Amino acid sequence: QVTLKESGPALVKPTQTLTLTCTFSGFSLSTSGMRVSWIRQPPGKALEWLARIDWDNDKFYSISLKTRLTISEGTSKNQVVLTMTNMDPVDTATYFCVRQSPTYFFDFWGQGTLVTVSS
Amino acid sequence: QSVLTQPPSVSAAPGQKVTISCSGSSSNVENNYVSWYQQLPGTSPKLLIYEDTERPSGTPDRFSGSKSGKSATLGITGLQTGDEADYYCATWDSTLNAGVLFGGGTKLTVL
Repeated sequence: QVTLKESGPALVKPTQTLTLTCTFSGFSLSTSGMRVSWIRQPPGKALEWLARIDWDNDKFYSISLKTRLTISEGTSKNQVVLTMTNMDPVDTATYFCVRQSPTYFFDFWGQGTLVTVSS
Repeated sequence: QSVLTQPPSVSAAPGQKVTISCSGSSSNVENNYVSWYQQLPGTSPKLLIYEDTERPSGTPDRFSGSKSGKSATLGITGLQTGDEADYYCATWDSTLNAGVLFGGGTKLTVL
C-alpha cells in the first residue's frame, strides 16, 4: 500500500525559507523508474507542479521557481525534502507530495499540508 | 492563465453525460500523454485517467478519456451527485525541462 505524507510548518514569515518533508511508504525511490514530485495549490486555485526527484537522483524544477527550490532525499531513504527560499504571501498554498510515473502521471498523492505565509 | 485551457465550469443533471475539454498545443497535449484528476471538496486530487485513455483500477467505466490533436476530453456518463468535484487535466510539456502542466480546472456541478 503506497502512502505519502507531508510535514512542515503551517506558518512562515515573508522572506523565510520553507522546508517540507515527504515521508512515504509502499515503494522505494531507489527502484528504477520511481519519481517523487511536489505540487502546490493556492486556496481556490489550480494545481502547480514544482519539482521532481528521480530514482537516479536526477532533479527537475519548475522554470519559474527554479532559483528558489531545492529537492533532495531526506535523512531516511523513504523521505524527500523540498526547500523554498524567500517565501512570499503569494506562496500560500497546500503543498502535496506525489508519486509520479515514468509517463508523467501522478498516481498517489499525500493529504497535503497548508502553508500560510504571513508576518 | 494556464497554458492548458479548461472550461471553468460545467453542469448537468443526474444520469446525464458531460464532457470536459483540455486544449493545449503541439508541445504538450498533442504529443504527450494526458492524465485527468478528480478533486472532491476538501480532499487531495485523485488520478482518474492516465495515458490519454487508461483507467486505473478503481475508476468506474463511467469515466473515459480521449484525445484528438491538441485537445483532450474527459467524459462522464450516468452522472451522480458524488461526481461533483473539480477536474484537472495534466500533461508533460517538451519546452519545460520535464515540467508538468496542469489545466486551470473545471468545476462540475450535478444539478
